[in-house]
Amino acid sequence: AQSVTQLDSQVPVFEEAPVELRCNYSSSVSVYLFWYVQYPNQGLQLLLKYLSGSTLVESINGFEAEFNKSQTSFHLRKPSVHISDTAEYFCAVSRNFNKFYFGSGTKLNVKP
Amino acid sequence: SQTIHQWPATLVQPVGSPLSLECTVEGTSNPNLYWYRQAAGRGLQLLFYSVGIGQISSEVPQNLSASRPQDRQFILSSKKLLLSDSGFYLCAWLSDRGYTGELFFGEGSRLTVL
Repeated sequence: AQSVTQLDSQVPVFEEAPVELRCNYSSSVSVYLFWYVQYPNQGLQLLLKYLSGSTLVESINGFEAEFNKSQTSFHLRKPSVHISDTAEYFCAVSRNFNKFYFGSGTKLNVKP
Repeated sequence: SQTIHQWPATLVQPVGSPLSLECTVEGTSNPNLYWYRQAAGRGLQLLFYSVGIGQISSEVPQNLSASRPQDRQFILSSKKLLLSDSGFYLCAWLSDRGYTGELFFGEGSRLTVL
């Protein structure tokens, strides 16, 4: 079975500063990786995903994540955050698109 | 377009009472369906998933059960609720076309067991 670890439960950061949200997974086979975001009082929505090909994937709002197979990581980064990025971010893993396992989430709090 | 509905949105139930949460999906056929529970500090825990009518896989042994009586209907039930069943329950669906891997979530049902 796969598992996902998000070491940071909360990450406070000032606006326009860079941020990295960490995600590590454990699996003995190849997996697909995802980041979902949950804005305050909203449901979860997909932010970005790695299925195959380039190990660096980007979202439309400036986030990027890099798949590192040797370190079994899929960290999420943004060079300059905005107040509107305040949300909870969940990393997820799937082996075959039947089961999706999520991490415990990281609350990103962007301060002015 | 596809939509997903969950109800009720909020529920307060006494310990030992039964539970029924319902989820329906519109605008798609033969989706994979999922029930997750979101608890503070524990992220999303996969409870059940279904790849078709009557096909249910359980991830966590507990006093909850799930059923899929129709292609686009997924029901989460319990005969006797426990305090530990409190939480935010999310239904999600996955299209069987394209293997995009994107889950679409409902708005959730918040259950408080007293």
